[in-house]
Amino acid sequence: DAGVIQSPRHEVTEMGQEVTLRCKPISGHDYLFWYRQTMMRGLELLIYFNNNVPIDDSGMPEDRFSAKMPNASFSTLKIQPSEPRDSAVYFCASSWGKGLYGYTFGSGTRLTVV
Amino acid sequence: GQSLEQPSEVTAVEGAIVQINCTYQTSGFYGLSWYQQHDGGAPTFLSYNALDGLEETGRFSSFLSRSDSYGYLLLQELQMKDSASYFCATDRDDKIIFGKGTRLHILP
Repeated sequence: DAGVIQSPRHEVTEMGQEVTLRCKPISGHDYLFWYRQTMMRGLELLIYFNNNVPIDDSGMPEDRFSAKMPNASFSTLKIQPSEPRDSAVYFCASSWGKGLYGYTFGSGTRLTVV
Repeated sequence: GQSLEQPSEVTAVEGAIVQINCTYQTSGFYGLSWYQQHDGGAPTFLSYNALDGLEETGRFSSFLSRSDSYGYLLLQELQMKDSASYFCATDRDDKIIFGKGTRLHILP
């Protein structure tokens, strides 16, 4: 398996633009998570899905953020409109079952909003 | 809610042993995980303690004491490649919450 695949690896965009981050989880994993990492706040859980259904989106900062998982092999995280404070590394992770087996993280998307 | 405390930085010498501590305040807690992250890389899963006691995986061991709300990661025979950030994490329900991480510096 190629692991969790995220695209793009880097994204530079202007404030106010829409940004879409993409994730392909490991085949067979039933959980998918979106995290954001910054120096100040560390790794923050934004939202997670179980069997393609959003379970907890309490970490989504505000209405500008939205996430979807239309099928078991694809998820998107969208920011519209983007702001400079959204600059961070966004990680997607997937797992089979709960924490016992660990999460597999993608390589992340480094987002810079100027 | 969940909160985890770990030192921000630890320094050790190559070949030595280092312990990274983690204390937590979590209700409905299932287990304690450890992840490693190199600069510019993604977190990678190291270990999971569901029960009290020591779990050993090669040079790395992880310990949990539920009564003390405490755990640690023990790294032996340190190598330069172990220079990274280490995160403890607790899981409740289906999601994992991470600590702020401990940056491990290794001196030759």
